[in-house]
Amino acid sequence: DVKVTQSSRYLVKRTGEKVFLECVQDMDHENMFWYRQDPGLGLRLIYFSYDVKMKEKGDIPEGYSVSREKKERFSLILESASTNQTSMYLCASSLTQGQGVKTEAFFGQGTRLTVV
Amino acid sequence: LAKTTQPISMDSYEGQEVNITCSHNNIATNDYITWYQQFPSQGPRFIIQGYKTKVTNEVASLFIPADRKSSTLSLPRVSLSDTAVYYCLGNSGGYQKVTFGIGTKLQVIP
Repeated sequence: DVKVTQSSRYLVKRTGEKVFLECVQDMDHENMFWYRQDPGLGLRLIYFSYDVKMKEKGDIPEGYSVSREKKERFSLILESASTNQTSMYLCASSLTQGQGVKTEAFFGQGTRLTVV
Repeated sequence: LAKTTQPISMDSYEGQEVNITCSHNNIATNDYITWYQQFPSQGPRFIIQGYKTKVTNEVASLFIPADRKSSTLSLPRVSLSDTAVYYCLGNSGGYQKVTFGIGTKLQVIP
């Protein structure tokens, strides 16, 4: 079974702190994603990566950065946490296949981050 | 990537069949239609995927008409444990940005 593991289930940080959210997958997937989920807004893509050291902005990248130094690990960084970044953060991974070939994303359990 | 539209919420009684329809008018030739299910406090999980006609697995059925501009997820005889948010999305494989929307919140009532 594919396993996507997020380092923390719950996290409380202070405004202005630098925050690292870590995600590790064990299935050699090329693609990794970070989302945030807020009531009424669904899942919104923050950043994704399709290879080591490669990254692409998603729909809401402002206030975030990412790092992918190894294929299995994708980190989300909040350079200076703010209260509006209080949210559920979800990491996912997927395999790259050819065009027209179906694929699916596997998700971690999520990290509920509270910024006070 | 296909932009999808689905109802925000639905209620159903236990034991009934539930059909959730998703519109995807601009779906590309290479796009598959994929449905995910998300329970509270968990990440979404893949439930079914199809390209056209009908696909069935142990969880659900997926109906996609010939024009592929919509799809219907069918959940047979729902139980309380099927209460979840269901997401419809189109994706074409390969290097891709996987985006979700708000999804459909299904509430199963005893």
